[in-house]
Amino acid sequence: EPEVTQTPSHQVTQMGQEVILRCVPISNHLYFYWYRQILGQKVEFLVSFYNNEISEKSEIFDDQFSVERPDGSNFTLKIRSTKLEDSAMYFCASDHSGGNSPLHFGNGTRLTVT
Amino acid sequence: QKEVEQNSGPLSVPEGAIASLNCTYSDRGSQSFFWYRQYSGKSPELIMSIYSNGDKEDGRFTAQLNKASQYVSLLIRDSQPSDSATYLCAVNWAEDKVIFGPGTSLSVIP
Repeated sequence: EPEVTQTPSHQVTQMGQEVILRCVPISNHLYFYWYRQILGQKVEFLVSFYNNEISEKSEIFDDQFSVERPDGSNFTLKIRSTKLEDSAMYFCASDHSGGNSPLHFGNGTRLTVT
Repeated sequence: QKEVEQNSGPLSVPEGAIASLNCTYSDRGSQSFFWYRQYSGKSPELIMSIYSNGDKEDGRFTAQLNKASQYVSLLIRDSQPSDSATYLCAVNWAEDKVIFGPGTSLSVIP
């Protein structure tokens, strides 16, 4: 069964540094998402991406964050000037028909900011 | 106003019993509803999706939707210890946006 793959599984960075989280969505999916889950808290929507542009974003997704689909397979989340409170699990997801179809999640990247 | 609400639990049921999980949502325009299961440290995995009022059954799982009451539930029959996890209710909030409730922690006691 096709999978969403995320790398790295764990990223440790120092406060103020930039990180790039990488995802390879399922190949025939058209919609891509990033979610965040701080330890012990709920899964929070960050952004959705369709047709090479952001289609929805949350209040969390401010100028510190950006997304990109640099080629036909990768989907990245860049976090600039990381803060301690950015420490969380970041999940990439994809689906083939937008918010009305189930999300397929990757295994996540655990980001630790020290 | 909270968007998707769930009882946080923990909900404890004995093995073999029925577990009942509830969810309410605030956007009357939502059309798609999902139940995910999340084990500790893992990503959410889809249990069921439901789009129409009424019941939808899949094996030991039954999802129920009532759009007028803005309520969706999940019943797990013959609960097993392996069902112990956090259950997430998710609702589409816009064309390309699905939001999650805080989850209900379920513990099935052998």
